Amino acid sequence: DAGVIQSPRHEVTEMGQEVTLRCKPISGHNSLFWYRQTMMRGLELLIYFNNNVPIDDSGMPEDRFSAKMPNASFSTLKIQPSEPRDSAVYFCASSPGYSYEQYFGPGTRLTVT
Amino acid sequence: GIQVEQSPPDLILQEGANSTLRCNFSDSVNNLQWFHQNPWGQLINLFYIPSGTKQNGRLSATTVATERYSLLYISSSQTTDSGVYFCAVDGSGNTGKLIFGQGTTLQVKP
Repeated sequence: DAGVIQSPRHEVTEMGQEVTLRCKPISGHNSLFWYRQTMMRGLELLIYFNNNVPIDDSGMPEDRFSAKMPNASFSTLKIQPSEPRDSAVYFCASSPGYSYEQYFGPGTRLTVT
Repeated sequence: GIQVEQSPPDLILQEGANSTLRCNFSDSVNNLQWFHQNPWGQLINLFYIPSGTKQNGRLSATTVATERYSLLYISSSQTTDSGVYFCAVDGSGNTGKLIFGQGTTLQVKP
């Protein structure tokens, strides 16, 4: 199994630009999660999907952030416009369902200058 | 919401030593996982352990759900064990939302 795949692994962009992060979950997993890791706030959940439907987006910091899951094998997290405070590592995780073990991708390190 | 506290925050060991990491949580949980974040930033699954005891090589974990804590044991530590160890719990009505502790940073010296 290939595990959770994220792209790009590193992204450097200028303030005001649009950023799109991509995730391919493990095949057969029904739940997909986006997390963000910063030194100040640690690891925090942004949004999660079950069967491609967003269930809880209460962790999304503001309207500049949006996430989609058009099918079972692909999800995107978009930031528009990006700001320096969005600099963080963004992780995608998937699991076979609610309250099952979550498996994390390698993360995307985002730097907004 | 549920609170997760890990201790100690930092730990330095000599190679070959044993250690115990603790995770306390403030409410009942449906899911508890231990992760190791290696120096390259990867989050590696160690245990899925909402209750009971599990062992995997030099690592073992015990969760006492009724007393709201979990322990991670590392025996005969190696330099490759260095990194940050996270405990994460789902206590929010079985939704899968993992709440992470702040982690224990472990350094194993040769």
